Amino acid sequence: DIVMTQSPDSLAVSLGERATINCKSSQSVLYSSNNKNYLAWYQQKPGQPPKLLIYWASTRQSGVPDRFSGSGSGTDFTLTISSLQAEDVAVYYCHQYYSSNTFGQGTKLEIK
Amino acid sequence: QVQLQESGPGLVKPSQTLSLTCTVSGVSISSAGEFWSWIRQPAGKGLEWIGRFQFSGNTDYNPSVKSRVSISVDASKNQFSLTVTSLTATDTAVYYCAREVSVAGYPYWFDPWGQGTLVTVSS
Repeated sequence: DIVMTQSPDSLAVSLGERATINCKSSQSVLYSSNNKNYLAWYQQKPGQPPKLLIYWASTRQSGVPDRFSGSGSGTDFTLTISSLQAEDVAVYYCHQYYSSNTFGQGTKLEIK
Repeated sequence: QVQLQESGPGLVKPSQTLSLTCTVSGVSISSAGEFWSWIRQPAGKGLEWIGRFQFSGNTDYNPSVKSRVSISVDASKNQFSLTVTSLTATDTAVYYCAREVSVAGYPYWFDPWGQGTLVTVSS
């Protein structure tokens, strides 16, 4: 299994400031034949199911605000929220779909 | 738009069998190329993929639960179901069904998800 490790486990950021969440995979999720990283990010608010934010490591899902961005390649990935809004308080998960499916343990994002 | 809704018993006893159903609307589960999955989340913990099916007959399961789970389909009701046998307290979780977005016949990310149903295993 590919193990996904997120850091930090929790994060407190002031409104309007940048939030950065990291995700590291135990092996590369970059598929060489199409040069795509098989990595997605989800947002989960309390009492709700996860919501897809980003796929192919950096492609924003339709309707997701452009303050959310994904970057990285191979084994190291980052989700960045450029200017934190109150409605962004949630737990964020990375997900690799290169080999079966595994998720990171989640990062809880709060307002400082 | 595609929507999914889980249903099933909220409480089951240890050693018993759990059956959950996911009702899909907005798309036929028998459509070519569609993949449908079950994912669970213990309280306060992360996400675990359980397994998927494709209407063509292909199923895949997480090796960690493969010996105890099966996924079946009722195309006439546009539903698919999860069965988990030999339940223990560690199976207590919110169970989600989700569409696995596919491209060229390969499954990728999950979107959308159902609202989830809480299953508690307790005597």
